[in-house]
Amino acid sequence: EIVLTQSPGTLSLSPGERATLSCRASQNVGSYLAWYQQRPGQAPRLLIYDASHRATGIPARFSGSGSGTDFTLTITSLEPDDFAVYYCQERHSWTSVTFGQGTRLEIK
Amino acid sequence: VHLLESGGGLVQPGGSKRLSCAVSGFNFGLKAMAWVRQAPGKGLDWVASISGGGSTTEYAESVKGRFTISRDNSAYTVTLEMTGLRDDDAATYYCAKAGDSSRSWSHWGRGTLVTVSS
Repeated sequence: EIVLTQSPGTLSLSPGERATLSCRASQNVGSYLAWYQQRPGQAPRLLIYDASHRATGIPARFSGSGSGTDFTLTITSLEPDDFAVYYCQERHSWTSVTFGQGTRLEIK
Repeated sequence: VHLLESGGGLVQPGGSKRLSCAVSGFNFGLKAMAWVRQAPGKGLDWVASISGGGSTTEYAESVKGRFTISRDNSAYTVTLEMTGLRDDDAATYYCAKAGDSSRSWSHWGRGTLVTVSS
């Protein structure tokens, strides 16, 4: 079973700053890594798929990078709506799906 | 694209519940679907997936043998039959549609809450 470890657990930043979120996989997942944003009381929203591809309608300030076991979600110039919880997710194998435990991005 | 879950509510431990997800706005039979749950205040937890044609299903170990995912491509619905419910099955259950890569979930419903309590 693949384990995804996200860091930091909580990230405190101000609007306009740059956010860097990390996701580390316990095994090689290739490029099969996605990122989601979840605002309070809402369903998750796909941001990035296949490690670096922005989903439809996602602003260019969101970018993903990495492959293998180490992945990064970068948000340049944070806007108020960006403060939320972010999850990474892998599906290296067709028989299972794993989510990371989440990173909470809060306003400093 | 629209996904709408229904069927949540209160169930006793050991009981059964059937969740449904009605979808619209895309070619349903071409897309894998999944159920993902979230216990109150906790993270996301994949439950089950089903291929576009319905022939292939996968389950998390925690629900294998107790939950069954199915779909009706003529009715544009996906269903999760849950039996032997336990306290730790209590969660909001989201229905999700596979994205272009089929390795992530591009659209989600608003969820339906399942409470397990005596």
